[in-house]
Amino acid sequence: SQQGEEDPQALSIQEGENATMNCSYKTSINNLQWYRQNSGRGLVHLILIRSNEREKHSGRLRVTLDTSKKSSSLLITASRAADTASYFCATDLWVGAQKLVFGQGTRLTINP
Amino acid sequence: ETGVTQTPRHLVMGMTNKKSLKCEQHLGHNAMYWYKQSAKKPLELMFVYSLEERVENNSVPSRFSPECPNSSHLFLHLHTLQPEDSALYLCASSQAQGTGQPQHFGDGTRLSIL
Repeated sequence: SQQGEEDPQALSIQEGENATMNCSYKTSINNLQWYRQNSGRGLVHLILIRSNEREKHSGRLRVTLDTSKKSSSLLITASRAADTASYFCATDLWVGAQKLVFGQGTRLTINP
Repeated sequence: ETGVTQTPRHLVMGMTNKKSLKCEQHLGHNAMYWYKQSAKKPLELMFVYSLEERVENNSVPSRFSPECPNSSHLFLHLHTLQPEDSALYLCASSQAQGTGQPQHFGDGTRLSIL
């Protein structure tokens, strides 16, 4: 399976702290994407990192990619209560159309 | 209206019923997707349409039947479902221009099979 696997499955921190989530995958990829899902809602795209990139930033988000270890991490700095959500990584494949293969996600809770 | 809209948001049906889920996107995308999200399981890709042609069918049971009449609309026809089909069904869209495209999701239809 090329499925991504997130670690930890659940993370609870205090507001203002940094949150780090990790993702591992099994085969070569073109790109890797991170998504957020608030309870009862659809997924929202956060950031995409290409296989030739090692680090990418977007606001309070920092994503790293290590293709030799087949792993990625998502760092959220200065967390806020509104960051409470599930976070998913997805490997990005081509099967005649784009195919995203998602992991099981990390459930992040920010305590005020 | 912008984004990806799914209707209905909630659906309760018996195993012998026939119903349809609808998805509409107003983003000008030309690829659309159906996903199934069950508790304790990763998001599962069910069907992919690119330029209105089905290009992926992930071994989905025939009781699920997709339809893509144009690039803006996607349906999932349901019949004779099983209790294990209870889940959140998500629709997404993107540009059909290879990998590296972000997908835009609707808020899903929460399906409960009695």
